[in-house]
Amino acid sequence: QKEVEQDPGPLSVPEGAIVSLNCTYSNSAFQYFMWYRQYSRKGPELLMYTYSSGNKEDGRFTAQVDKSSKYISLFIRDSQPSDSATYLCAMSARTGFQKLVFGTGTRLLVSP
Amino acid sequence: KAGVTQTPRYLIKTRGQQVTLSCSPISGHRSVSWYQQTPGQGLQFLFEYFSETQRNKGNFPGRFSGRQFSNSRSEMNVSTLELGDSALYLCATKAGVEDTQYFGPGTRLTVL
Repeated sequence: QKEVEQDPGPLSVPEGAIVSLNCTYSNSAFQYFMWYRQYSRKGPELLMYTYSSGNKEDGRFTAQVDKSSKYISLFIRDSQPSDSATYLCAMSARTGFQKLVFGTGTRLLVSP
Repeated sequence: KAGVTQTPRYLIKTRGQQVTLSCSPISGHRSVSWYQQTPGQGLQFLFEYFSETQRNKGNFPGRFSGRQFSNSRSEMNVSTLELGDSALYLCATKAGVEDTQYFGPGTRLTVL
């Protein structure tokens, strides 16, 4: 079993929908949680970075961490076609983006 | 500010050969991490260099090695290539220990 599980999708939604992306993990040592967006033929781009449990909001994006359930989520409000990409969760037991463990990514398609 | 540069962008090799990939970090960034990305396994951490010293290492065989130069540029080498080494190899750089890391566009390696 992988340390981090993520549904590969694809997840298809109409423009304006609320999108929910999720990851589960097994290593209780993970304290730092990230979400990355990766467009085709590009490297991942950091969207959200959270420490421990709780919520963090940035514009249309909200990240949630529930350490008791070992479950993290990314919500995208008012989704746009430009949000179409692969979304990767990542986590680490150490600060400073060290030895990140990634999910395999969820492909999101937002149709106009 | 220029982004992370990786060369070459695409590479085709045959089994048994060796390959060297290069990563030039953003100016002022002293840390370089390398990742392998495949459809089945996702992004997996290879190693991290900081100020010419390997600071962290993932769970890859010794055929995978790296180094960092005094100007922070980094190279990774894969010897005795196997078909399973076909992947997108990404590097990510950051200025200091606690800073955000930025990914390059990757080198697509195909092993025939």
